[in-house]
Amino acid sequence: QQQVKQSPQSLIVQKGGISIINCAYENTAFDYFPWYQQFPGKGPALLIAIRPDVSEKKEGRFTISFNKSAKQFSLHIMDSQPGDSATYFCAASLLMGNQFYFGTGTSLTVIP
Amino acid sequence: GAGVSQSPRYKVAKRGQDVALRCDPISGHVSLFWYQQALGQGPEFLTYFQNEAQLDKSGLPSDRFFAERPEGSVSTLKIQRTQQEDSAVYLCASSRQGGNQPQHFGDGTRLSIL
Repeated sequence: QQQVKQSPQSLIVQKGGISIINCAYENTAFDYFPWYQQFPGKGPALLIAIRPDVSEKKEGRFTISFNKSAKQFSLHIMDSQPGDSATYFCAASLLMGNQFYFGTGTSLTVIP
Repeated sequence: GAGVSQSPRYKVAKRGQDVALRCDPISGHVSLFWYQQALGQGPEFLTYFQNEAQLDKSGLPSDRFFAERPEGSVSTLKIQRTQQEDSAVYLCASSRQGGNQPQHFGDGTRLSIL
């Protein structure tokens, strides 16, 4: 059973546009929600993370929106650039947990 | 180095052979994790160490998989009698502490079983 559901599977955005990736979860005990960026042949790299006590977190062009009641969170990439083309994974973990539960990934392509 | 280092980067083995994958975590990181990433999928948890203690091995798919971290730093993931379904990228991650702290990943070992 997939603990974290991610959509869309793939996304194509024009340069300068906004990329939006959505994730949903069921376990209300999840307490930490990171987003990872992965380039081919590389390991996932932490992009930004949020805890459920805030509804939004922004770092540069990247913003996480968090809706605790809906059990959903999303990544917004503003002013998308071709260099942002990568696979993005959302994840969740428990307060006292050890593992991250990853979504299935979104392949983002930003076209010039 | 500053990041998590994994070796080898690529490993090809024949079905039935044993393989050993190595992970050097970030210096000072107490927690170490192994994940398996199938093609086109997200990483899936295998096992977790806090220092030298293996506290969670619930994700290991069979008793052919074995992990150790004897001195609380370098870790080795061993797969015995490899099967074709073991083909995947094996990722190692480390964090300062356990729990829901940022995990920093290595670039993985791509294992191909022929």
